[in-house]
Amino acid sequence: QTVVTQEPSSSVPPGGTVTLTCGLTSGSVSTTNYPSWYQQTPGQAPRTLIYRTNSRSSGVPDRFSGSILGNRAALTITGAQADDESDYYCLLYMSSGSVVFGGGTKLTVL
Amino acid sequence: QVQLVESGGGVVQPGRSLRLSCAASGFTFNTHTMHWVRQAPGRGLESVAYISSDGSRIYYADSVKGRFTISRDNSKNTVDLQMNSLRPEDTAVYYCTRDRSNCWFDPWGQGTLVTVSS
Repeated sequence: QTVVTQEPSSSVPPGGTVTLTCGLTSGSVSTTNYPSWYQQTPGQAPRTLIYRTNSRSSGVPDRFSGSILGNRAALTITGAQADDESDYYCLLYMSSGSVVFGGGTKLTVL
Repeated sequence: QVQLVESGGGVVQPGRSLRLSCAASGFTFNTHTMHWVRQAPGRGLESVAYISSDGSRIYYADSVKGRFTISRDNSKNTVDLQMNSLRPEDTAVYYCTRDRSNCWFDPWGQGTLVTVSS
């Protein structure tokens, strides 16, 4: 069974740039997986950041961007702010019809 | 505005049943696939089930197949999750969310907590 992988944790200094990635244990992530990204803070519902690889959801600051880097989907935060400290999840649509979340990345801004 | 409101969570003993409901408003409900996603305490997000706009296509995660049933009523703008034979590992916050163009989820409900414990 294919698993969606993410870095368990990452850190970035305030004002810095960080890239979080989303891969597959078998195969490559492509635009046909329609990668999307969600931000979640403790006790809150997820918030949609990026859809269809690189489209920003309404109201999302342009310091958040999505792309495909090599064989993985990527979420880049440019000019990180303190309130970007959250958990980030990617979601992939599989050809089997299933939708699978990555395990999430806990981002620390320090 | 687009809104999803879950209800029906609570504390239930192992082996018992619970039915969750999600009420949708602010959009044309019968044109969207709907999903249930859960999050166990301290864990990540897990897709549980989804149902297509007309109910003809349904998908379950292996972890709930044969125990959970998703259904929808397009006349009432609701999507339900019937959960039978509940296990302690089903303890989680359950979110209802809308599928956008078979590509992404938005918005999300506030979630409803299900606790399976004796």
